[in-house]
Amino acid sequence: AQKVTQAQTEISVVEKEDVTLDCVYETRDTTYYLFWYKQPPSGELVFLIRRNSFDEQNEISGRYSWNFQKSTSSFNFTITASQVVDSAVYFCALSETNSGYALNFGKGTSLLVTP
Amino acid sequence: DVKVTQSSRYLVKRTGEKVFLECVQDMDHENMFWYRQDPGLGLRLIYFSYDVKMKEKGDIPEGYSVSREKKERFSLILESASTNQTSMYLCASSFPGTSGRGGELFFGEGSRLTVL
Repeated sequence: AQKVTQAQTEISVVEKEDVTLDCVYETRDTTYYLFWYKQPPSGELVFLIRRNSFDEQNEISGRYSWNFQKSTSSFNFTITASQVVDSAVYFCALSETNSGYALNFGKGTSLLVTP
Repeated sequence: DVKVTQSSRYLVKRTGEKVFLECVQDMDHENMFWYRQDPGLGLRLIYFSYDVKMKEKGDIPEGYSVSREKKERFSLILESASTNQTSMYLCASSFPGTSGRGGELFFGEGSRLTVL
């Protein structure tokens, strides 16, 4: 069963627009971890953020922000004032307590930012 | 900087051949992983290892095996390659969970395998 759902397959925005990438997860564990990874056109996946299930505080890092809501099992990612360099595939992932930190990835959202 | 190196960027093999994909990391990470990435399917976990000589099946282990004889090296083996194993294979390593950075994966550049 799919544990991480990224309903948006592709998103296209014009530079400077804000964009939100959705991520919905499912788990029965009370302790779990959520992640976002970026895969630019060059191909190598890069870690962006890790969140544990006990920390619902929103996180902001520059133009990036993450909204974690346990009530809706969502961990959404917003890019403010998008830039062409943000064009990439973004993956949301879940790690459950017994998984040895093996991540269960969503299918990814391809973001295209055009000038 | 953490470096995860996969031995081959591109491979072309014939159906039935035995294929070895090698991965080496230089950060003394306990955990290592093999994923495959296919369009529309995202990343799927094949096998992972949290210690030398230890291995755990992921979501799609059928048709694959792994070897971890040394901490820094994690090999993926296709005993008899088939066309449905044509894919991008990604190796990753990570710190142990006790470090507070569990799940922060460092990926290699990937090995694109084509099976004819």
